[in-house]
Amino acid sequence: DAGVIQSPRHEVTEMGQEVTLRCKPISGHNSLFWYRQTMMRGLELLIYFNNNVPIDDSGMPEDRFSAKMPNASFSTLKIQPSEPRDSAVYFCASATGGLSYGYTFGSGTRLTVV
Amino acid sequence: DAKTTQPTSMDCAEGRAANLPCNHSTISGNEYVYWYRQIHSQGPQYIIHGLKNNETNEMASLIITEDRKSSTLILPHATLRDTAVYYCIVRARGSSNTGKLIFGQGTTLQVKP
Repeated sequence: DAGVIQSPRHEVTEMGQEVTLRCKPISGHNSLFWYRQTMMRGLELLIYFNNNVPIDDSGMPEDRFSAKMPNASFSTLKIQPSEPRDSAVYFCASATGGLSYGYTFGSGTRLTVV
Repeated sequence: DAKTTQPTSMDCAEGRAANLPCNHSTISGNEYVYWYRQIHSQGPQYIIHGLKNNETNEMASLIITEDRKSSTLILPHATLRDTAVYYCIVRARGSSNTGKLIFGQGTTLQVKP
């Protein structure tokens, strides 16, 4: 199993540009989570999906952020327009109903907005 | 979900047992205790979880007090690669696993040679 796959690993963009982060969950996992990590705020849950349906997006900072999960094997997190304060590491995680091994996290995307 | 309290940082000598405490005095009867760790620049990694019985796996042991108000994660023989931030999280385990995993600040464990 390749685990949770995120792309790109690093992204540098200019303020005002659109940024799209991608995530491929582990096959068979029915829950997907997007987190953001900064030094100041730690790990924050942005949104999560169950069976491709968004369940809780209360952590999404503002309307500039949007997330989709068009099918069980793919999710995107989009920021439009991006701002320097969006600079962070964004993690995607997936899990299954059995929870025998907890959540599996991807390696993250380090986003820098200049 | 119940709130947890962990020390900000701890040191441990290589080869010795690392005992990481966690207080969760407001834990509910249906809430599990989960432990994750995050090695620098990597995504968090699941370690172990339990409800009320002590648990052990290939990575660690989890000791939960009888009143369930606190727990201890034990790394029996710490190595330098165990240097990481360790998170104790308490949350209910729904039948369809629809719960959120909320991370606190965790304990930074430094394993020293």
